[in-house]
Amino acid sequence: GAGVSQSPSNKVTEKGKDVELRCDPISGHTALYWYRQSLGQGLEFLIYFQGNSAPDKSGLPSDRFSAERTGGSVSTLTIQRTQQEDSAVYLCASSTGTGLYEQYFGPGTRLTVT
Amino acid sequence: AQSVTQLDSQVPVFEEAPVELRCNYSSSVSVYLFWYVQYPNQGLQLLLKYLSGSTLVKGINGFEAEFNKSQTSFHLRKPSVHISDTAEYFCAVVRSNDYKLSFGAGTTVTVRA
Repeated sequence: GAGVSQSPSNKVTEKGKDVELRCDPISGHTALYWYRQSLGQGLEFLIYFQGNSAPDKSGLPSDRFSAERTGGSVSTLTIQRTQQEDSAVYLCASSTGTGLYEQYFGPGTRLTVT
Repeated sequence: AQSVTQLDSQVPVFEEAPVELRCNYSSSVSVYLFWYVQYPNQGLQLLLKYLSGSTLVKGINGFEAEFNKSQTSFHLRKPSVHISDTAEYFCAVVRSNDYKLSFGAGTTVTVRA
C-alpha cells in the first residue's frame, strides 16, 4: 500500500516568509509525528498527534512553529516568519500505535531559507 | 530523559567485509531500541528493533543487532556488506511508556569496491 507522503519535496523561501509543509500518513494510522533533521541538531522530535487527544507540542522550537491534523489524517506543519536556522529536512512519520509500534517515515521536505 | 550515542560518525568499509556500528544508550526506565537506515535523499527505513525476548535480533538486508543490558548497548552488524549498503544509519530509543524517538547522531557507512 501507499506509504507516508510529504509535499513539497523541496521548498526554498526567503527569510521572513511563512511556509506550510504537508504530510499524508498511512491510511488507518492513528499516530502522526513530525521530526526535524538538521546538520547542527541531528534528528529531533517536534510534535505528536494521537487520535483525538491533544497533541504533544513539547518539541516545537519556538512559537513560530505550529501544526494541525485535520480529520485524524492529513497534517500541516506551519512555520511563520522563517529564519535561516529553520533550514532543515522535516520528516513526518505515522504508526498504528505508540512505543513498540514501528514509525513509518515519509521522504521528507527539504526547507531552505535564504 | 534518555540519550543515544553512536560512537562512530564515519565508517569506511570494503565490499564483502564485515561492519559493526556501535550504539550506546542511557535511560532510567526500560526502552525499546531501533536501527534505521537512510539512503541518500530518502526517508528513514526500519532495519530492526528490539522490544523484548532474545537479545539477538535479525533485520532486513542481512543486518542483525545484539542488545546488551549490562553495557546498555545495541550494536548493529552485517557479516558482508554490499555497495548498496552505503547509507546513514541511526540508532534510536523510545521509552516503553512513551512515543518520542530519540536518535543518535548517525553513522555514515561508505562501502568501497
